[in-house]
Amino acid sequence: DGGITQSPKYLFRKEGQNVTLSCEQNLNHDAMYWYRQDPGQGLRLIYYSQIVNDFQKGDIAEGYSVSREKKESFPLTVTSAQKNPTAFYLCASSHGRQAFFGQGTRLTVV
Amino acid sequence: GENVEQHPSTLSVQEGDSAVIKCTYSDSASNYFPWYKQELGKRPQLIIDIRSNVGEKKDQRIAVTLNKTAKHFSLHITETQPEDSAVYFCAASKGRSQGNLIFGKGTKLSVKP
Repeated sequence: DGGITQSPKYLFRKEGQNVTLSCEQNLNHDAMYWYRQDPGQGLRLIYYSQIVNDFQKGDIAEGYSVSREKKESFPLTVTSAQKNPTAFYLCASSHGRQAFFGQGTRLTVV
Repeated sequence: GENVEQHPSTLSVQEGDSAVIKCTYSDSASNYFPWYKQELGKRPQLIIDIRSNVGEKKDQRIAVTLNKTAKHFSLHITETQPEDSAVYFCAASKGRSQGNLIFGKGTKLSVKP
């Protein structure tokens, strides 16, 4: 279904802990993206990667880190420096202009 | 950088009526404008898109119009049905082949039977 898999669906983190969200795609897309979704805020770009071993900061990169060691994978780490990490995180990949989204991970800080 | 404004934030219509959602963008270099529909608890999915060399595009009950001079584009849904109820996002990007999508804040559309 869509070829992009995010895991886990729900994630709970204690304050001060780093946590990594997984995103895998089997669509052979070069570009991958991470968005954060908050109520009433739309989708805000965290990081993006247009090719393996290269990635760029989006609008709200502070407190997050990524890696792109394989074309299929683009994991997102939410670090303890992110002051308000509770949100819904969406990964996407694109071929040309059209973006395909994963089902999302809902992260809650407890 | 690009900024996309979307209005209204909520929209309620009667079944069978039309719904219109409007977006404006700031970067005149943007040349691709997709619309995504996100049903509750699900991923956003592309419903229609338009490129800057086209003024209007239709797909059954939905259409998108683009005014490059005014830098705004709109989604039109005719003969709305309850299953059209969802959050709709507009977006803009630039570049030759692919680019980062900058999204509007979304419009929650409710279609009342």
